[in-house]
Amino acid sequence: DTEVTQTPKHLVMGMTNKKSLKCEQHMGHRAMYWYKQKAKKPPELMFVYSYEKLSINESVPSRFSPECPNSSLLNLHLHALQPEDSALYLCASSQDSGRGSTDTQYFGPGTRLTVL
Amino acid sequence: RKEVEQDPGPFNVPEGATVAFNCTYSNSASQSFFWYRQDCRKEPKLLMSVYSSGNEDGRFTAQLNRASQYISLLIRDSKLSDSATYLCVVVASGGSYIPTFGRGTSLIVHP
Repeated sequence: DTEVTQTPKHLVMGMTNKKSLKCEQHMGHRAMYWYKQKAKKPPELMFVYSYEKLSINESVPSRFSPECPNSSLLNLHLHALQPEDSALYLCASSQDSGRGSTDTQYFGPGTRLTVL
Repeated sequence: RKEVEQDPGPFNVPEGATVAFNCTYSNSASQSFFWYRQDCRKEPKLLMSVYSSGNEDGRFTAQLNRASQYISLLIRDSKLSDSATYLCVVVASGGSYIPTFGRGTSLIVHP
């Protein structure tokens, strides 16, 4: 099973709303990632969790707040977003086996977010 | 210079054609290389890893040229279903695993 699931598939929110994106994997992967992807652009890395600890924050604004409750789950809490934050938000996971860079990432289907 | 560069295309080819894409990378410490395929409004899916010795999976062949710092993807006997964006991903060695994506190459296979 190489499945990463994400909910919701679509989300429309106002700039004053608070919402959360969820990601789950049951492959035993210990690294999980959030990416943002705008149309016709490659995915941009936002956060990396390794063994449930935040290891990388790519200078993401504080209106995006990641959380890793356990090794299978990854959340992205959203608050006071701007219309330019509208994008496809992708979650991914990888083994983080210690061999580091040989690991393969598996992506979830993404949440398409629209901020009004 | 961008870390990972790809020709965005689109590459417009007839069914049955052979098409090749290149991807150049600037970090000589890069260690792992992948090709992903992304369909419109879908997530990226791993197509193949790229090994130093080159590797083949059916109609797809990936090559790595460390001296010139590029990887390539060759698709033989193109199918309509190969139409997609092909993303090159490069990971540097050491430290945290941070993949760097190319902007992708668009392939359109027409009848």
